[in-house]
Amino acid sequence: AQTVTQSQPEMSVQEAETVTLSCTYDTSESDYYLFWYKQPPSRQMILVIRQEAYKQQNATENRFSVNFQKAAKSFSLKISDSQLGDAAMYFCAGHSGAGSYQLTFGKGTKLSVIP
Amino acid sequence: GAVVSQHPSRVICKSGTSVKIECRSLDFQATTMFWYRQFPKQSLMLMATSNEGSKATYEQGVEKDKFLINHASLTLSTLTVTSAHPEDSSFYICSASGMGGGAKETQYFGPGTRLLVL
Repeated sequence: AQTVTQSQPEMSVQEAETVTLSCTYDTSESDYYLFWYKQPPSRQMILVIRQEAYKQQNATENRFSVNFQKAAKSFSLKISDSQLGDAAMYFCAGHSGAGSYQLTFGKGTKLSVIP
Repeated sequence: GAVVSQHPSRVICKSGTSVKIECRSLDFQATTMFWYRQFPKQSLMLMATSNEGSKATYEQGVEKDKFLINHASLTLSTLTVTSAHPEDSSFYICSASGMGGGAKETQYFGPGTRLLVL
């Protein structure tokens, strides 16, 4: 079973600046997947980025990138050139790469973007 | 790609009535669908996992007779809240994973249903 910990309940960033959201996890599996989801005020959960544990290269999606430190079991999300639309709850999640792919979620980090 | 719809987006019902929520994968075949409940300012709580053509697997503490889940096809799952009571008022979210591209290991979420039981 996995555990996912987000230690920052709230974060803020100035528009156009860069912010990093932290996430640590624990698992006994060798094959697993990690995700960042965004939940804006509309409450629609949106996939931001995903990382396969067997891949050494950090995933990148436009302004979003991760710093995946497998030995440290750390999976942080970096948002560059922050925009007002990035304001949302961000959830870190993961599952083992087998079975039903049930996700374990962190408690979330609320990101505010200051104009 | 990987779009999931959910209907209705919000519903108000009287105590004692039943409410059905539909979850559809629009552009991929969802071999597995998940149902979550989310309380205000909290993370998602998994209620059950359903595989197409099989009975749903419920998480501990979730009443299977109260929250009926059906996953009869590769594109549709339904959650029926039976004999709803005010404490069932919540935000319910479905997600789907399935075949095609990167969809297999990734859950894609519907927009959610806000249920208010009076």
